[in-house]
Amino acid sequence: DTAVSQTPKYLVTQMGNDKSIKCEQNLGHDTMYWYKQDSKKFLKIMFSYNNKELIINETVPNRFSPKSPDKAHLNLHINSLELGDSAVYFCASSQDGGFGETQYFGPGTRLLVL
Amino acid sequence: AQSVTQLDSHVSVSEGTPVLLRCNYSSSYSPSLFWYVQHPNKGLQLLLKYTSAATLVKGINGFEAEFKKSETSFHLTKPSAHMSDAAEYFCVVSESGNTPLVFGKGTRLSVIA
Repeated sequence: DTAVSQTPKYLVTQMGNDKSIKCEQNLGHDTMYWYKQDSKKFLKIMFSYNNKELIINETVPNRFSPKSPDKAHLNLHINSLELGDSAVYFCASSQDGGFGETQYFGPGTRLLVL
Repeated sequence: AQSVTQLDSHVSVSEGTPVLLRCNYSSSYSPSLFWYVQHPNKGLQLLLKYTSAATLVKGINGFEAEFKKSETSFHLTKPSAHMSDAAEYFCVVSESGNTPLVFGKGTRLSVIA
């Protein structure tokens, strides 16, 4: 009964390819997030959605496009992959994005671009 | 603007001895503060959080943290380290709803038998 799940867990691909990472939460939360963790373990938010609406869009290349078909899912599509995109990508969710809310994280997707 | 500084990138303790992981924050408002733990190749798990209630916050697995506004600190402690505590720990600040969480750079805790 995983609360926040991501697929795939590992993704190895060539430069220039397009790939997607899927995220699903079964907590009934309204808000979902994507984070990127670099090789030095630094975590930075990329996007957040509240009830399928984009709320936060940090300075991320427009090769990255989040899509939320419903409030339980937030997928991340990456076009024209570059070496620098190699990282661990975490999906998270919280009740409604309010102040002080706990965010629940998925297990991460380890992306390696060759 | 909000920011977090974790003062040690790596802390090593012996099993059974106290743990202290240090965190200082900067915020224009009264922030929420969190500690998350990440075990190797796992996602992040909430240890504890402060949201303007009691300044001494107790979390899971025997961890606690004290919010000290005068020192802008939120240090994480545990009286007695266990081998299973070895992990990466992140101090996190949030100023308001719908603003991004800001993570510190992490402190790697090693526990020596």
